[in-house]
Amino acid sequence: DSGVTQTPKHLITATGQRVTLRCSPRSGDLSVYWYQQSLDQGLQFLIQYYNGEERAKGNILERFSAQQFPDLHSELNLSSLELGDSALYFCASSPDRRDLTDTQYFGPGTRLTVL
Amino acid sequence: GEDVEQSLFLSVREGDSSVINCTYTDSSSTYLYWYKQEPGAGLQLLTYIFSNMDMKQDQRLTVLLNKKDKHLSLRIADTQTGDSAIYFCAEGGDLFSGGYNKLIFGAGTRLAVHP
Repeated sequence: DSGVTQTPKHLITATGQRVTLRCSPRSGDLSVYWYQQSLDQGLQFLIQYYNGEERAKGNILERFSAQQFPDLHSELNLSSLELGDSALYFCASSPDRRDLTDTQYFGPGTRLTVL
Repeated sequence: GEDVEQSLFLSVREGDSSVINCTYTDSSSTYLYWYKQEPGAGLQLLTYIFSNMDMKQDQRLTVLLNKKDKHLSLRIADTQTGDSAIYFCAEGGDLFSGGYNKLIFGAGTRLAVHP
């Protein structure tokens, strides 16, 4: 158990819909990262938040957005869903302190199926 | 650009050593990581190596880094059936990132261990 929790574990929805994925980082970790794992694209970095602020963006679609709340949990919002958005979405967290190796610990993932 | 490449499949006999190879392109990466993903599960951090090291040993795992060739390998000694999984190489991390710390993953090597 990495200490990172994600809900829900599975999500099945229809095209055009909107969903919210939730992540709680490890206690004390300031950074939260979102990754997408799909068969054709592999594991891709989407976005990073650090202490409530967006820090880095990767291959995140405009239909997707995220935020990190004051208690440091994060939500990834996916809207106008398409079949190709079906994937495993991982959240990771890291301490992001200069005195620690900044290793990312991953949650169990949310499997999204768009029908 | 940033790219990480791995061979896709490796089959070994139980008790033998497994060697999983990876090449990367970003020479500025501070850390290189190995993650393990078992079927239906999340990503488990196995080990990492700081970019100024040549080797790191952790029980049955040995990581070798050839910085000149940008080549990373993971050796698993006495491979067991429980080691069957997908192994991902990743580069990234900055000791002084201040939050800029995305990971670039390879496509993963599927390790199959047979009796």
